[in-house]
Amino acid sequence: EVQLVESGGGLVQPGGSLRLSCVASGFAFSRNWMNWVRQAPGKGLEWVASIKQDGSEKYYVDSVKGRFTISRDNAKNSMYLQMKSLRAEDTAVYYCTRVLGGGMDVWGQGTTVTVSS
Amino acid sequence: QSVLTQPPSASGTPGQRVTISCSGSSSNIGTNTVNWYQQLPGTAPKLLIYSNYQRPSGVPDRFSGSKSGTSASLAISGLQSEDEADYYCAAWDDSLGGWVFGGGTKLTVL
Repeated sequence: EVQLVESGGGLVQPGGSLRLSCVASGFAFSRNWMNWVRQAPGKGLEWVASIKQDGSEKYYVDSVKGRFTISRDNAKNSMYLQMKSLRAEDTAVYYCTRVLGGGMDVWGQGTTVTVSS
Repeated sequence: QSVLTQPPSASGTPGQRVTISCSGSSSNIGTNTVNWYQQLPGTAPKLLIYSNYQRPSGVPDRFSGSKSGTSASLAISGLQSEDEADYYCAAWDDSLGGWVFGGGTKLTVL
């Protein structure tokens, strides 16, 4: 079964850090672009970051540039999102997604990040 | 303010045909393909349409997509109660260097 499982979310104070993980199974992880997409409470979807198959290209939404770092370890079928200098507006459910055929065809269940004092 | 513009809400009765629009620009929809996602309450989004009109395996042919210029549309025919969900369009934006989503359309089946 093709599956993505996120972990690492939690409650963190403003200015703090958190590292999200996404473990893939059921497909050749190293062959796909991967994304992080987030959804703030009661709001729509927002793309956060993308990483190429070999990690050589990375893209970020402007609001997280310089604060978030996307990475992957193909040997572990895993992708990560290191988040620093967290703000209240980063509070959201963070989804890991696979890119295939021009669309995000597999989504994880999401992990919740809450930034609050 | 989303880069792609969708109506915030849409509605229809069972059996009706409903369309949801998605308006963009030359740097996103005008140049790249459009995807549509369905998000049922309390669940992760699901890919509904990719590459403007292609349906992933398992998606009923009641769902169809189209694109013209810098706009795209999602049509749902034979509306069913289980279609009540939020729908999002998305495309890669060459100017921004990233994916952009519409603000989402909440579909209500009356």
